[in-house]
Amino acid sequence: TQLLEQSPQFLSIQEGENLTVYCNSSSVFSSLQWYRQEPGEGPVLLVTVVTGGEVKKLKRLTFQFGDARKDSSLHITAAQPGDTGLYLCAGALYGGTASKLTFGTGTRLQVTL
Amino acid sequence: NAGVTQTPKFRVLKTGQSMTLLCAQDMNHEYMYWYRQDPGMGLRLIHYSVGEGTTAKGEVPDGYNVSRLKKQNFLLGLESAAPSQTSVYFCASSYSFSWGRGNSPLHFGNGTRLTVT
Repeated sequence: TQLLEQSPQFLSIQEGENLTVYCNSSSVFSSLQWYRQEPGEGPVLLVTVVTGGEVKKLKRLTFQFGDARKDSSLHITAAQPGDTGLYLCAGALYGGTASKLTFGTGTRLQVTL
Repeated sequence: NAGVTQTPKFRVLKTGQSMTLLCAQDMNHEYMYWYRQDPGMGLRLIHYSVGEGTTAKGEVPDGYNVSRLKKQNFLLGLESAAPSQTSVYFCASSYSFSWGRGNSPLHFGNGTRLTVT
């Protein structure tokens, strides 16, 4: 059973377009992290959100944690080819053990010129 | 900074063969993890360690064993490889697993691509 579902699974857009990636669950998380993974490399942390309703911005990327702490979104403004990669959300269930950091199914983004 | 280093990068095994994947980190992290990544399934935790000499099962531990004899190293073993173990394996480390504080990210290696025929 996959606790975290991401949508869309694939996204191919042109440079300059905006996009939103969703991370949804029926479980409540104490915190949620977003990672980006480039081909041949491991995931790299982008941001951690810890409070329901929290919004964090990282240049052109805006992350939001849902009020009920069950979902999150990543919005990219004016996408660039450098944004290409696999985006993964990861939620920490209450209890805080390593076994309870659950990764989403991933969204593969391709940005073309 | 080397961070987390995994060896080998690629490996092809025949069914029934054994192998060991090596992970080394130079950040003095207490916590280390082994994940496998399969298309459409994200990352799934195989085993983890909260310190030298300790190991624990994750979400998908069957068919794998691990050892953490030194703080900086975490080994993943496959005793009898099966085609279902074809995957990309990632090692990660972290300062803690206080995820809720938002100050302890996972640091990943670049992965080992394993094919079992």
